[in-house]
Amino acid sequence: DVKVTQSSRYLVKRTGEKVFLECVQDMDHENMFWYRQDPGLGLRLIYFSYDVKMKEKGDIPEGYSVSREKKERFSLILESASTNQTSMYLCASSLRQQETQYFGPGTRLLVL
Amino acid sequence: GNSVTQMEGPVTLSEEAFLTINCTYTATGYPSLFWYVQYPGEGLQLLLKATKADDKGSNKGFEATYRKETTSFHLEKGSVQVSDSAVYFCALSDPRRGSYIPTFGRGTSLIVHP
Repeated sequence: DVKVTQSSRYLVKRTGEKVFLECVQDMDHENMFWYRQDPGLGLRLIYFSYDVKMKEKGDIPEGYSVSREKKERFSLILESASTNQTSMYLCASSLRQQETQYFGPGTRLLVL
Repeated sequence: GNSVTQMEGPVTLSEEAFLTINCTYTATGYPSLFWYVQYPGEGLQLLLKATKADDKGSNKGFEATYRKETTSFHLEKGSVQVSDSAVYFCALSDPRRGSYIPTFGRGTSLIVHP
């Protein structure tokens, strides 16, 4: 079974802090994704990566950056957290030529 | 661009009732269509999918048929259980950069009462 793990289930940070969310997958998938999930808005793609060191902006990249130094690990960085970044963050992975995504359990981030 | 529209929730049903969650899409080309489910406190997981017109995806008693003529992919189940309470997301996949990037609907919450 594919396993996607996220570093924290719950996180509380202060405005202006730098925040790192980490995601690891164990199935050698080329693609990795970061989404945020908000009530009434569904899932919105922040960034995705199709290979090591490669990244592409999604629909809402502002205020976020990402890093993919190893194939299995994809990090989401909030350079200076703001209260409007309070959300549930979901990581996912997939094989390059397959369409099914595999999701982690999510990190619920609260920015005070 | 591509988009997915699904009915707003919550949908509240009694156990053993019939379930329909509507999903329509707009897309260029012929994307694959998906239903994902998110149980409380968990990430999303694939429930079923269909890759071409008239295909029927099915899993755990749920079914959905890819209808190109009505651009729809409605989710149905004949008899829901309390354990089906979850949020359901309709999605289509969009080829980009040699990969497939999903576009998700906003999700429909299903609450099933005993």
